[in-house]
Amino acid sequence: GAVVSQHPSRVICKSGTSVKIECRSLDFQATTMFWYRQFPKQSLMLMATSNEGSKATYEQGVEKDKFLINHASLTLSTLTVTSAHPEDSSFYICSATPGLAEYNTGELFFGEGSRLTVL
Amino acid sequence: KQEVTQIPAALSVPEGENLVLNCSFTDSAIYNLQWFRQDPGKGLTSLLLIQSSQREQTSGRLNASLDKSSGRSTLYIAASQPGDSATYLCAVTRSYNTDKLIFGTGTRLQVFP
Repeated sequence: GAVVSQHPSRVICKSGTSVKIECRSLDFQATTMFWYRQFPKQSLMLMATSNEGSKATYEQGVEKDKFLINHASLTLSTLTVTSAHPEDSSFYICSATPGLAEYNTGELFFGEGSRLTVL
Repeated sequence: KQEVTQIPAALSVPEGENLVLNCSFTDSAIYNLQWFRQDPGKGLTSLLLIQSSQREQTSGRLNASLDKSSGRSTLYIAASQPGDSATYLCAVTRSYNTDKLIFGTGTRLQVFP
């Protein structure tokens, strides 16, 4: 099956620094990628929808300037948490959808997630 | 290895029917189970989260139950509406690694007027 790779799987950083998380579709082209966040004991929450070559669409309550999303190619989307603070500590997961309808069976492809801890 | 299966794979019903979607998992050592909905071309929308210590959760017309020992969860949708048409996914997190979500294969639901 199709594979979505996220990197890094875990990152620890100091407060005030910026952290970049990569999401790659390894064997298919993804015109759309989704970024999710999950706090402990809470369900996954969609943060933004990333479309290749255009600006990301952010969900209500998600700060655009804090969570920068770049979908520069059909296989790579990046999420940058700028000036991270302890409250940004969370589990971030991406998912990708193949762009071509004939290959899109509705199956979802997810990265394994990135655990961010801000000290 | 944890495997999550959803039955049926697809379901088409007339408006107003009460529905039951099934999710089964092979390893009962889970931390929680979540139900999601996905509209075509959209990301996931979280519906319900059930902790391993809970037996059910309710939100509006939705009710999800969890029988951890038997490895099963059901999502009950009352009085279905055309707007309920979507793909429904369940996902479990393992008790020894709460980071990784393991998703079921999904149930495509179509509710026609």
